[in-house]
Amino acid sequence: AQKITQTQPGMFVQEKEAVTLDCTYDTSDPSYGLFWYKQPSSGEMIFLIYQGSYDQQNATEGRYSLNFQKARKSANLVISASQLGDSAMYFCAMREDNQAGTALIFGKGTTLSVSS
Amino acid sequence: DAGVTQSPTHLIKTRGQQVTLRCSPISGHKSVSWYQQVLGQGPQFIFQYYEKEERGRGNFPDRFSARQFPNYSSELNVNALLLGDSALYLCASSPDPNSNQPQHFGDGTRLSIL
Repeated sequence: AQKITQTQPGMFVQEKEAVTLDCTYDTSDPSYGLFWYKQPSSGEMIFLIYQGSYDQQNATEGRYSLNFQKARKSANLVISASQLGDSAMYFCAMREDNQAGTALIFGKGTTLSVSS
Repeated sequence: DAGVTQSPTHLIKTRGQQVTLRCSPISGHKSVSWYQQVLGQGPQFIFQYYEKEERGRGNFPDRFSARQFPNYSSELNVNALLLGDSALYLCASSPDPNSNQPQHFGDGTRLSIL
């Protein structure tokens, strides 16, 4: 079973509009972390935002916010006031404890296209 | 401060050959992880190293191996290359394996197998 599900292969938005990218996760571990990364066509993975499972408040970082609904196991990324430079692939990832270490489990990603 | 650096940026090999990819973590980061990203998919975890010890291993065959050096840099080795090994190989570093700090990624090495 997939541990991270991103159901939107592609999303389209106009400049200055807000957009929500969906992410649901599956874990039985009470302690986990959720991350969003941006990957432009050049390939580098850019960290955007982090939410811990015990965090009481939704994480925010500038124009990025994370709509964390623990009971629904969802961690949607909200980008406000989209910009052309936001066009990229976006990945949701969960930190999974792997014996003594940690691994990031990634979803399949959502391609965001921002138009003027 | 320099970010995670990986070399080479691109590599072309033929089936059956061996390849070594290199990674230097962010200064002060002692944990290095390797991921494979095939086209159209999210990255998949291969290895995690901390203080020169393997801390975690993903579901990859024994053809894949890695090591970490005293300066915390790391190498990923892949033997007996197959066409399916063509991918972007990403290295990520973090202060330690159990930190809530995000893993920071390098630009990756694009490996093409002919």
